[in-house]
Amino acid sequence: ETGVTQSPTHLIKTRGQQVTLRCSSQSGHNTVSWYQQALGQGPQFIFQYYREEENGRGNFPPRFSGLQFPNYSSELNVNALELDDSALYLCASSRTGDAGNTIYFGEGSWLTVV
Amino acid sequence: GQNIDQPTEMTATEGAIVQINCTYQTSGFNGLFWYQQHAGEAPTFLSYNVLDGLEEKGRFSSFLSRSKGYSYLLLKELQMKDSASSLCAVRDNAGNMLTFGGGTRLMVKP
Repeated sequence: ETGVTQSPTHLIKTRGQQVTLRCSSQSGHNTVSWYQQALGQGPQFIFQYYREEENGRGNFPPRFSGLQFPNYSSELNVNALELDDSALYLCASSRTGDAGNTIYFGEGSWLTVV
Repeated sequence: GQNIDQPTEMTATEGAIVQINCTYQTSGFNGLFWYQQHAGEAPTFLSYNVLDGLEEKGRFSSFLSRSKGYSYLLLKELQMKDSASSLCAVRDNAGNMLTFGGGTRLMVKP
């Protein structure tokens, strides 16, 4: 148990639709990062949120957006879904300024786009 | 740019020792992580190195050489449940962003 919770665990969407994924960070953690993991590959960094602002972004188009709330929980929104967006979406919780090894992942949300 | 390489697949026998290598070329470095990921599940933390040398944690050990951009994960007394993907990831200087390798799928045979 990492204390990082994600919802929903599985969902199916149609191409062109929009999806929102949610993450609650571990207690004491103020930073949330989102990763996309396609089948058979390592996770790819989407973006990170700290103090309710985007704090770093990977190579993903603007239709991937996010939010962080005052309680440090976060949402990942994906608009105009494409078939290639089918993947496991992982939320990672950490504390900015902590140089240690405290980066923990939630169980992930499996998104299938048909 | 960021580049992290690790073998795609390895096979080992139950009870044996296996070493999984990872080489990296990154623009920044603030620690190297190893995660284990079973099929259909999220990555779970195995080990962390930020200084050169060996970190030991039960059956798992991890080694780092920053000058060579090299790390390895050593798994001893292999068990069938160790059949999983081992992910090497480097943290950047700016924050807590991790850049992952593609993962090494380890198959443990009886």
